[in-house]
Amino acid sequence: EAGVTQSPTHLIKTRGQQATLRCSPISGHTSVYWYQQALGLGLQFLLWYDEGEERNRGNFPPRFSGRQFPNYSSELNVNALELEDSALYLCASSHRRPVPDTQYFGPGTRLTVL
Amino acid sequence: SQQGEEDPQALSIQEGENATMNCSYKTSINNLQWYRQNSGRGLVHLILIRSNEREKHSGRLRVTLDTSKKSSSLLITASRAADTASYFCATALNAGGTSYGKLTFGQGTILTVHP
Repeated sequence: EAGVTQSPTHLIKTRGQQATLRCSPISGHTSVYWYQQALGLGLQFLLWYDEGEERNRGNFPPRFSGRQFPNYSSELNVNALELEDSALYLCASSHRRPVPDTQYFGPGTRLTVL
Repeated sequence: SQQGEEDPQALSIQEGENATMNCSYKTSINNLQWYRQNSGRGLVHLILIRSNEREKHSGRLRVTLDTSKKSSSLLITASRAADTASYFCATALNAGGTSYGKLTFGQGTILTVHP
């Protein structure tokens, strides 16, 4: 069974640009989660999508947004990039349950903002 | 703020020794999970323990949970150089509210196992 995949592996952008990160969940999983791991800040929850809808979001500004497609893959968009957006962005997937069960993570996308 | 706090921040041991990492959290949880991360890459799920469980084993891993003290520990027995990684605990709260769906991670313990 294929794991969670993310693309691209690395992304380099300049301040003010937009970044788009992509995630494909494990087959059969309907929930996709996005986390940011920035140096010194640890792993922070960004967004949760399930069945095409945003179910919860973390304490991030609106320029962080995303969507989930009918095939359950997901896209994270970061607009008006700032230097502090440089981080490893991790996507995870799981079965939908009343309470989060095991979340399986992808290898991440390393975003560098210059 | 992070739900979990881990201790120690860094641990350095020799191959064959046991490694123990601790995690404390602040609010009631539904489950607690441990993950491993190698060199800033993706997280690998190690073990999940539910709030009504006290101990779980998986291979060389042993996890305990004390809900009265709001703490958990991860023990890796007979460590190997390949166990060198960062280890994170993550808590899942009960359904509902602003914590719905997310895992809240601790800051992690960096484990170095010397051959």
